[in-house]
Amino acid sequence: GAVVSQHPSRVICKSGTSVKIECRSLDFQATTMFWYRQFPKQSLMLMATSNEGSKATYEQGVEKDKFLINHASLTLSTLTVTSAHPEDSSFYICSARGPPWGHEGYTFGSGTRLTVV
Amino acid sequence: DAKTTQPNSMESNEEEPVHLPCNHSTISGTDYIHWYRQLPSQGPEYVIHGLTSNVNNRMASLAIAEDRKSSTLILHRATLRDAAVYYCILRDIRDDKIIFGKGTRLHILP
Repeated sequence: GAVVSQHPSRVICKSGTSVKIECRSLDFQATTMFWYRQFPKQSLMLMATSNEGSKATYEQGVEKDKFLINHASLTLSTLTVTSAHPEDSSFYICSARGPPWGHEGYTFGSGTRLTVV
Repeated sequence: DAKTTQPNSMESNEEEPVHLPCNHSTISGTDYIHWYRQLPSQGPEYVIHGLTSNVNNRMASLAIAEDRKSSTLILHRATLRDAAVYYCILRDIRDDKIIFGKGTRLHILP
């Protein structure tokens, strides 16, 4: 089946540094990808929609200068958390719609657990 | 966004069928009904989706009320691996985004 690969699965960084998370669609092209974050015991919150070749669309309340999204190819989107602080510690998840031959649902990555110390 | 209402949690015995309800009384004609589940420390996984007719796949069945204001996800024979949070989501066909609600935490008793 369709796979969305997300790396790293777990990262610990120091406060003030930046962290990049990669999301790849392995066997299909994804013109649109989505980034979510999830705090413990809460649901997923949509952060932004990543569009290949154009600027990402951020949800209300999400700082676009802090969460930089780049979707440079049809199979890769990246999320960079800049100047991370402990309150940015969370589970970050990407997803893509597709593949076109599939069930028309969305395929999710396995998530990245970010801990800022 | 059209909203869904699900019970916070449910319990079921292993090897028995499970019926997970979802109310979506404000559903519009362009909304698809999607179900996803999330196992601990993993990303969500697609389960099933439908528009008007009941749907079956290898994972589950989706029963949609005639007025589309509610639906039920049916796991025919629950196993311990089905313990997860199940999300019922409405997706407008005109919009790519899916917005998660709180979901139902399903506990499976051995």
